[in-house]
Amino acid sequence: GAVVSQHPSRVICKSGTSVKIECRSLDFQATTMFWYRQFPKKSLMLMATSNEGSKATYEQGVEKDKFLINHASLTLSTLTVTSAHPEDSSFYICSAKGGPGVGEQFFGPGTRLTVL
Amino acid sequence: EDKVVQSPLSLVVHEGDTVTLNCSYEVTNFRSLLWYKQEKKAPTFLFMLTSSGIEKKSGRLSSILDKKELSSILNITATQTGDSAIYLCAVDPLLGYGNKLVFGAGTILRVKS
Repeated sequence: GAVVSQHPSRVICKSGTSVKIECRSLDFQATTMFWYRQFPKKSLMLMATSNEGSKATYEQGVEKDKFLINHASLTLSTLTVTSAHPEDSSFYICSAKGGPGVGEQFFGPGTRLTVL
Repeated sequence: EDKVVQSPLSLVVHEGDTVTLNCSYEVTNFRSLLWYKQEKKAPTFLFMLTSSGIEKKSGRLSSILDKKELSSILNITATQTGDSAIYLCAVDPLLGYGNKLVFGAGTILRVKS
């Protein structure tokens, strides 16, 4: 299957700082990337859908000014958690899809964010 | 509202047992149903099902979709401790270009040796 990478895999930051997480599709062009958040022992919660070259579409209840998403190229999307607080601590996972129509999403390995 | 329900929520079995995990869905439109396995990191893809009644198989795992019953099952035969994971079911509800998935809550499977 296709490979999606995320960086960093783990980050610890102080409250009030911003953290950027990168998601890259390594061997295919991802027209659409998705950002999820997962709490312990819970399922994935979709935060936003990101299409290359256009603004991300955020799910209800997700603050777009807090979770900035940029999908500047067909292989890279970034999620920036601005002014992070302890309640933002979570496991953030991205996934990528090669194009419209039927097809599976490939997930990155996830980023564990801890805000002190 | 589109939703996906998985059962059971958790399951403990012994090595060698066979397990069946269930997934039912209610969506306005349906494109495909996907199964993922999640261990410590992000989910890994298992199966994608689009047609009713056609079994997909990979080793000891198999899955089938029933569009009439709006459901799918994932079978694991001769379970091993390495099968311990969260199994996620997701449906692609054909919502425009984005193809965002709707996930169920997952089934936590623990296989004891």
